[in-house]
Amino acid sequence: DSGVTQTPKHLITATGQRVTLRCSPRSGDLSVYWYQQSLDQGLQFLIQYYNGEERAKGNILERFSAQQFPDLHSELNLSSLELGDSALYFCASSFMGGGLGTDTQYFGPGTRLTVL
Amino acid sequence: SQKIEQNSEALNIQEGKTATLTCNYTNYSPAYLQWYRQDPGRGPVFLLLIRENEKEKRKERLKVTFDTTLKQSLFHITASQPADSATYLCALGSGGSNYKLTFGKGTLLTVNP
Repeated sequence: DSGVTQTPKHLITATGQRVTLRCSPRSGDLSVYWYQQSLDQGLQFLIQYYNGEERAKGNILERFSAQQFPDLHSELNLSSLELGDSALYFCASSFMGGGLGTDTQYFGPGTRLTVL
Repeated sequence: SQKIEQNSEALNIQEGKTATLTCNYTNYSPAYLQWYRQDPGRGPVFLLLIRENEKEKRKERLKVTFDTTLKQSLFHITASQPADSATYLCALGSGGSNYKLTFGKGTLLTVNP
């Protein structure tokens, strides 16, 4: 158990809908990262937040947005969903994300999103 | 564009042998490289980190090498066991204030008893 929690575990929805995925980082970790994993694309970095502020952006679509709240939990919002958005979405957390140049990331169990 | 290739999608070996997984990269100058293990339906788990100025790192039965000239990392599991069967991912980091990790697609290792 990494200490990172994600809800829900599974989500089934229809095209065009909007969903919110939630992540609670390990106690004491300040950074949260979101990843998308599909069979053909592998693990793709979406976005990172550090202590409430956006720190780095990856291949995140404009239909997707995220935020990190004062209690450090994070939410990933996916809107106007398409079939191709079906994937596993992982959240990871790390202590620093802003100092020493290296940081171990601890991954949550993921949310499996199915868009029908 | 940046590219990370892991030697093969799948590797099958016999229990007790050494498994060697390869991670090659192009158009990238990583400050460090990490290896993760991922079991089906679960999140990746960190195994080892090696920095650009380090040649080799060991942890129990695991060994990682990093050759910045060849742009390659090798990941070895000695005395492999069926419990080592999983997908192994390499991830490259730029360092500095950029903590973004770029992952390879992984190699599925199966250790047969």
